[in-house]
Amino acid sequence: AQKITQTQPGMFVQEKEAVTLDCTYDTSDPSYGLFWYKQPSSGEMIFLIYQGSYDQQNATEGRYSLNFQKARKSANLVISASQLGDSAMYFCAMDNFNKFYFGSGTKLNVKP
Amino acid sequence: DAGVIQSPRHEVTEMGQEVTLRCKPISGHDYLFWYRQTMMRGLELLIYFNNNVPIDDSGMPEDRFSAKMPNASFSTLKIQPSEPRDSAVYFCASSSGSRTHNQPQHFGDGTRLSIL
Repeated sequence: AQKITQTQPGMFVQEKEAVTLDCTYDTSDPSYGLFWYKQPSSGEMIFLIYQGSYDQQNATEGRYSLNFQKARKSANLVISASQLGDSAMYFCAMDNFNKFYFGSGTKLNVKP
Repeated sequence: DAGVIQSPRHEVTEMGQEVTLRCKPISGHDYLFWYRQTMMRGLELLIYFNNNVPIDDSGMPEDRFSAKMPNASFSTLKIQPSEPRDSAVYFCASSSGSRTHNQPQHFGDGTRLSIL
């Protein structure tokens, strides 16, 4: 069964605009962690942001924020003020009792 | 701070040869993960260790693959004999953990493996 679903294979955004990358997850456990990673064309996997299932506040890290809606089981990544360097693949992931699940990724292209 | 270090960065070898990929996790991290990434299958977890002990190897594709972690600062992933379908990028990642879920995994730069 698919644990992490990213429904947007590819997206375009204009430079300096905000963009939301969707992620839904599936678990019946109350405790889990949600993560977003960025993979630029150079190939490395870069950790961006983390949200714990018990965290009351939505996580933020600079221009990245995670829109966590627990009842909907969604953990969307919001990138504000997009930059050309944000063009990359973005992966949503969940850690659930030390089982780590990755989504299929969203390829983001930032247009100048 | 040193991140996860993988070697080699690139490996090209002929079918049937033994391939050994190496990983040094971040100091203090007690979890180590091996992943494989291909266009067709995306990112797949092969095996992970906790405190040097293999916990889940259900992602290891077949007996040709083996992984070891002899100490807290070193792990290897071995393919013997290698086949062209093993061509992929192999990532090592490490994290510190808790009972229910871990802190973020930090990835190495990966090894790009090509089997001819």
